[in-house]
Amino acid sequence: DQQVKQNSPSLSVQEGRISILNCDYTNSMFDYFLWYKKYPAEGPTFLISISSIKDKNEDGRFTVFLNKSAKHLSLHIVPSQPGDSAVYFCAAYANNAGNMLTFGGGTRLMVKP
Amino acid sequence: EPEVTQTPSHQVTQMGQEVILRCVPISNHLYFYWYRQILGQKVEFLVSFYNNEISEKSEIFDDQFSVERPDGSNFTLKIRSTKLEDSAMYFCASSGEGGVGQPQHFGDGTRLSIL
Repeated sequence: DQQVKQNSPSLSVQEGRISILNCDYTNSMFDYFLWYKKYPAEGPTFLISISSIKDKNEDGRFTVFLNKSAKHLSLHIVPSQPGDSAVYFCAAYANNAGNMLTFGGGTRLMVKP
Repeated sequence: EPEVTQTPSHQVTQMGQEVILRCVPISNHLYFYWYRQILGQKVEFLVSFYNNEISEKSEIFDDQFSVERPDGSNFTLKIRSTKLEDSAMYFCASSGEGGVGQPQHFGDGTRLSIL
């Protein structure tokens, strides 16, 4: 099942710089997207979401961009901090699949001091 | 901040035995979920539960699995006759009213090891 894909398994960024995490999807029924952060031995923590009727949503240092025609979304973190080091998951709701979240495989972000 | 709590954090069970994984969702949430993550694989949806019944389930959630809300606070996942391939992290989640599109809030998971 490759409906949600995060093609970069890892990303390394210097503290203070921008982190850009990417996510692609194939299911055109997806209409709501979420980003989660996960630390080791913890569950996924909700970060930010975006509806398919928008192309941008911002919350503090976190901004999510959605390009529906390209079926692509990205999470920008600026400035990046060492505490942002974690695995980031992209997830999506489909409008014909009720409350089921479909997850990508995750990208491990390492922010170096 | 309210959180979802799961017990136990780690469960080791012999193949063929039954296990019950327990979750206490956020108190004012109405929608409850179970997901699992096999080591090295994606987080996968198992089941959603609303108004005391299953609302959606995946192909993974076969007759071996069942869910229950035995009281006003707990939400359980039972796995009958466990198999080696049931070894995974199991995450419980909950969301508020209007589940679709709402962020789901996850617990820290139960690591299930089948021997």
